[in-house]
Amino acid sequence: AQSVSQHNHHVILSEAASLELGCNYSYGGTVNLFWYVQYPGQHLQLLLKYFSGDPLVKGIKGFEAEFIKSKFSFNLRKPSVQWSDTAEYFCAVNRKTGRRALTFGSGTRLQVQP
Amino acid sequence: DTGVSQDPRHKITKRGQNVTFRCDPISEHNRLYWYRQTLGQGPEFLTYFQNEAQLEKSRLLSDRFSAERPKGSFSTLEIQRTEQGDSAMYLCASSLAPTGAGAETQYFGPGTRLLVL
Repeated sequence: AQSVSQHNHHVILSEAASLELGCNYSYGGTVNLFWYVQYPGQHLQLLLKYFSGDPLVKGIKGFEAEFIKSKFSFNLRKPSVQWSDTAEYFCAVNRKTGRRALTFGSGTRLQVQP
Repeated sequence: DTGVSQDPRHKITKRGQNVTFRCDPISEHNRLYWYRQTLGQGPEFLTYFQNEAQLEKSRLLSDRFSAERPKGSFSTLEIQRTEQGDSAMYLCASSLAPTGAGAETQYFGPGTRLLVL
């Protein structure tokens, strides 16, 4: 079975600080990788995804993530956070073949202080 | 709004009662997923449909849970004889099954928050 670990449960940053949220998965086969974001009072929204090709993927709102296959990691980054980035961030993975369901990490709550 | 919609958004019920939730996917999407999310956790997969066929069920889906998608459009999730442990956010997601070796993206609805007293 696959699993996803997000090691940072709660991150507090000041505006303009750089962000990196860790995500590691365990699964021996090939996977698709996702970051979803949930702003306060809103539903889960796709931030970015990796299916194949360039391991550095860019998403909405200036976010990017890098897939490092050897480390089973898909860390999310943003060079300069804004107060509006305050949200909960979820990393998710599914298999390229077979089971289609997403396996999510437990989430990282990001709080950006103005 | 052409996103995934769910109804109701909130449901409070007493232990032992039955509840039913509805999900309307994005119109051209043929796959529909149900997830459950409890406080402090990420969503956990329950079941999914491709068109009207239920293709997979998680072991989290006890016999008290049943899901349908009778015409391959909207879906319902019923919980019979609710228990306090069923209190959670129930999320629906839809996607378009990829052709060939492509991949799919799941789009989530706002969820139905269930509280069992």
